[in-house]
Amino acid sequence: KAGVTQTPRYLIKTRGQQVTLSCSPISGHRSVSWYQQTPGQGLQFLFEYFSETQRNKGNFPGRFSGRQFSNSRSEMNVSTLELGDSALYLCASGQQGETQYFGPGTRLLVL
Amino acid sequence: LAKTTQPISMDSYEGQEVNITCSHNNIATNDYITWYQQFPSQGPRFIIQGYKTKVTNEVASLFIPADRKSSTLSLPRVSLSDTAVYYCLVGDTWGSQGNLIFGKGTKLSVKP
Repeated sequence: KAGVTQTPRYLIKTRGQQVTLSCSPISGHRSVSWYQQTPGQGLQFLFEYFSETQRNKGNFPGRFSGRQFSNSRSEMNVSTLELGDSALYLCASGQQGETQYFGPGTRLLVL
Repeated sequence: LAKTTQPISMDSYEGQEVNITCSHNNIATNDYITWYQQFPSQGPRFIIQGYKTKVTNEVASLFIPADRKSSTLSLPRVSLSDTAVYYCLVGDTWGSQGNLIFGKGTKLSVKP
């Protein structure tokens, strides 16, 4: 089985812009979770989608949003980018009752 | 969600066995213990998961005492490529409501 894929792998944006990141889960996985990783805060949970519905949300501002499509692929969007949004954004997929598997991440740099 | 405590860093040499202990005093009855490995600028990679006693796979062993308040990840004969950050997590296999709570992890440095 192919693993979790994320696109793009690297991205450079400027403050105020918006960005959309994409995640394709492992085939058959219906849950997709998103995480932000920074040197200062470590790995932090953003939100989780299951069957196109957001089931849980972490403590991030409303500028961070996401969605999931009927094929379980997911996107996350960050609007009005700030310098502090520079991070590695990780997507993980899983099945109910099983562990989560992570993708390689998207490295976002906000200038 | 049960909180975990693990050493910030550990040093080892190639060929040695490395044991990383994680403390989770408030582990719940239905919680599993999961370990991930992460290399710089990559996503965490699942290593092993267990509920009690001992679990072994091709890369590691996980030892869990009867009270389940701690666990030990054992890496046999480490190599330079095992240099990474290792995270211990506890929760139901899914992670409560779909999220995993990561601590700061243990940075393992393997030297030649």
